[in-house]
Amino acid sequence: QVQLVQSGAEVKKPGASVKVSCKASEYTFTSYDINWVRQATGQGLEWMGWMNPNSGNTGYAQKFQGRVTMTRNTSTNTAYMELSSLKSEDTAVYYCARGRWEAPLLLEYWGQGTPVTVSS
Amino acid sequence: EIVLTQSPGTLSLSPGERGTLSCRASQSVSSSYLAWYQQKRGQAPRLLMYDASTRATGIPDRFSGSGSGTDFTLTISRLEPEDFAVYYCQHYRGSRGTFGGGTKIQIK
Repeated sequence: QVQLVQSGAEVKKPGASVKVSCKASEYTFTSYDINWVRQATGQGLEWMGWMNPNSGNTGYAQKFQGRVTMTRNTSTNTAYMELSSLKSEDTAVYYCARGRWEAPLLLEYWGQGTPVTVSS
Repeated sequence: EIVLTQSPGTLSLSPGERGTLSCRASQSVSSSYLAWYQQKRGQAPRLLMYDASTRATGIPDRFSGSGSGTDFTLTISRLEPEDFAVYYCQHYRGSRGTFGGGTKIQIK
């Protein structure tokens, strides 16, 4: 069955960058968009952006423009989300999620989440 | 940009009762692009419903979705113990995903 396995928890200082990975298996990686969603403790879901693993094309939420970069490695079926200039408000669980073929932003499969803590 | 407002914020119900959750959009959306997700404590969200009223694979038929335009509803006909969770609606058309703020169903 489709699996998305994310990298482990991260602790970063303010101003640093974090790069989270999402390894896909049991489907054709380049056929479905990968989205990233984050969730601060006790808060709701916040969509960050999408990436097309085939073309490398991306689309980011305005809030994260200039700070987020989504990339991929098609030889290892892995998607990456890098967030720079970290602030304490970026402390959250970060999820990758696979879209459906006909609806790339409809999130059918999710990774287990990667906790990121930003603290001095 | 479409804003989704969910109500109520918290719903206190007993097992076996009916749960009705609302999702209101700031402008009319095509019902073909409205989804609902369930999130249990400590877990990733799970897709429940898409196209406003189509259940995702494996979702029991006590869950139903309805609505059009700006008003959408998720109904759980008889709450089971595993249904106590947080529910989010999402608009998934275009190039920007948008989530509502969520409704928590808690045990009364």
